[in-house]
Amino acid sequence: KAGVTQTPRYLIKTRGQQVTLSCSPISGHRSVSWYQQTPGQGLQFLFEYFSETQRNKGNFPGRFSGRQFSNSRSEMNVSTLELGDSALYLCASSGGTGYNEQFFGPGTRLTVL
Amino acid sequence: AQSVTQLDSQVPVFEEAPVELRCNYSSSVSVYLFWYVQYPNQGLQLLLKYLSGSTLVESINGFEAEFNKSQTSFHLRKPSVHISDTAEYFCAVSEISGGYQKVTFGIGTKLQVIP
Repeated sequence: KAGVTQTPRYLIKTRGQQVTLSCSPISGHRSVSWYQQTPGQGLQFLFEYFSETQRNKGNFPGRFSGRQFSNSRSEMNVSTLELGDSALYLCASSGGTGYNEQFFGPGTRLTVL
Repeated sequence: AQSVTQLDSQVPVFEEAPVELRCNYSSSVSVYLFWYVQYPNQGLQLLLKYLSGSTLVESINGFEAEFNKSQTSFHLRKPSVHISDTAEYFCAVSEISGGYQKVTFGIGTKLQVIP
C-alpha cells in the first residue's frame, strides 16, 4: 500500500496570503488528522475528519479550516497568514473507529515571510 | 483532559551508551501509550505502543518502554545507542471517547548520539 502523501512538501508565502495543503491517506483509511509542528511546541492537534465530517477540533483560530472529500483526501486551508503560522504541517491517516494506529505523511513545510 | 510531559528537550549521549527518554502523562480514563520517532525531514513513525497486557513493550530496533500506571510514566530506554538513533522522539497518549480516539503528543525529545 502507498503511504500517506502530502503536497506540496515546501511552501513559501507572505503575510496576509492564504494557503491550501493537501493530504491523501492510505487507501481504505477514512480518518485524517492534521497537526501543526513547531520547535518547542511539539505537535498541536488541528482537527480530524472522518467520512467527510469534522469530528474533533483543536484550539486554533478560525483562520484554520479543513475539509475531506468522498475519497477521504483532505485539505486544510489557512487564511490571512501570520508569521507564527510558519511550521511543519503533518497529516495522519487511520482506520477511524476505536483504537487505530496513525500513519503520518512527510509533512508540508510552510514558511511565512 | 489528557496531557503528556516529556521532561528533556534534548538528550546527548555517546554511542554505545544506554539512554532513557522520560515521559509522564495524565488522564482521567484508561489510555493507550505510544512512542514515535521522527528523522530529519520526515514524518513520524510509530516506534512502539502499549495497548494492554504486558507493561514492557519492545521495538524491533532495540528500544523498550515500560508502562507504569502508579507513576503515570512510559519511559523509553535503549541499552546501547547507535548513531542512526539520532532523531526526535515523541511520546503520545490516546483516549477513546465517543467511539474514536483523541491523541495528545508531548513536545518531543531530541536524541543526539555522539560518536
